[in-house]
Amino acid sequence: DGGITQSPKYLFRKEGQNVTLSCEQNLNHDAMYWYRQDPGQGLRLIYYSQIVNDFQKGDIAEGYSVSREKKESFPLTVTSAQKNPTAFYLCASHDRGPGEQYFGPGTRLTVT
Amino acid sequence: QQQVKQSPQSLIVQKGGISIINCAYENTAFDYFPWYQQFPGKGPALLIAIRPDVSEKKEGRFTISFNKSAKQFSLHIMDSQPGDSATYFCAASLNSGYALNFGKGTSLLVTP
Repeated sequence: DGGITQSPKYLFRKEGQNVTLSCEQNLNHDAMYWYRQDPGQGLRLIYYSQIVNDFQKGDIAEGYSVSREKKESFPLTVTSAQKNPTAFYLCASHDRGPGEQYFGPGTRLTVT
Repeated sequence: QQQVKQSPQSLIVQKGGISIINCAYENTAFDYFPWYQQFPGKGPALLIAIRPDVSEKKEGRFTISFNKSAKQFSLHIMDSQPGDSATYFCAASLNSGYALNFGKGTSLLVTP
């Protein structure tokens, strides 16, 4: 099965702890993205990577970090500096040229 | 700053009716306008997309109308069905699919 996997589906953390969300794709896509979704806010871009070992900040990168050491993997770390980390996090990938972004099933992070 | 504005926020349509969702954008350099459908707890999935050199695109019961001069585009769902009940997002991007800018979403409920 080709696609994007995100794990875990639900994640609970205490305030002050860093947490890493996993995103893996076997679509051989060059570009990968992280979005955050809050009720009534749509999807907001956190970070994106168009090629291995390179990534750019999106609109709301503060308090987050990423790495892109392998083409198929793009993990997102939510640090303790993120003021409101509780949200639904979506990973996506995109091939070169025009076309759709494919989304994973998401990880719901709850920080208390 | 929201680059894509979407309305209405929520919509209730009777089965068999037409659902219409509207989006407006400011950046005339956008060159790719997709619509995504999202069911609760799932990642968004591409429904239909259009480029600015086309005024209308139809796929089954779904039609995008695009008005370049007004910087607006809309999604029409003909013969709406209860299974269409979901959240719909419009989006726009530069460079044909990279770094999508999403509207805030429309929650559609189709009543039997």
